[in-house]
Amino acid sequence: DAGVIQSPRHEVTEMGQEVTLRCKPISGHNSLFWYRQTMMRGLELLIYFNNNVPIDDSGMPEDRFSAKMPNASFSTLKIQPSEPRDSAVYFCASRPHPDRSYEQYFGPGTRLTVT
Amino acid sequence: GENVEQHPSTLSVQEGDSAVIKCTYSDSASNYFPWYKQELGKGPQLIIDIRSNVGEKKDQRIAVTLNKTAKHFSLHITETQPEDSAVYFCAASRGSQGGKLIFGQGTELSVKP
Repeated sequence: DAGVIQSPRHEVTEMGQEVTLRCKPISGHNSLFWYRQTMMRGLELLIYFNNNVPIDDSGMPEDRFSAKMPNASFSTLKIQPSEPRDSAVYFCASRPHPDRSYEQYFGPGTRLTVT
Repeated sequence: GENVEQHPSTLSVQEGDSAVIKCTYSDSASNYFPWYKQELGKGPQLIIDIRSNVGEKKDQRIAVTLNKTAKHFSLHITETQPEDSAVYFCAASRGSQGGKLIFGQGTELSVKP
């Protein structure tokens, strides 16, 4: 398996622009997680889905952030409008059904820079 | 809310020495405790995990111990090698109940040849 796939790997945009990050989970996995990593706040969960349904979005910073999972093989995280403080590395992770394993598999991340 | 504290933030050892990283958690319902290794420019990768029904688990040079009463768990790396240099994160979750991971702040391990 190719693992969790994220695109783009790097994104540089200007303040006020819309940014869309993409994730393809490992085939057969039931859960998908979006994390953000910064020096100040470390690794923090933004939102996660079980079977394409959002379960916990309490980590989403504000209404400028939204996430969707239209099917089992694709998810997006959108920031509109973007701000410099959104600069971070965004990771997507997926997990199989908990009856099989609790392990979360992380993608390589998208490094976002908002100028 | 749920919180995971990790110490130390940086750790430097000589090749061949042992390294120990410690974490404490606040949510008594947590039952799954993974450790991740993150190399520069990459995503975190699981190196070992432990569930609450086990007190210790070992995999070659790495081991994890869990004390549920005290709500702390530790990572032990023996015979360290330069390729062990990375940032290590502990985490806690209610594994079977959704899987939300709460991460510690990370430990930057440097193994000097």
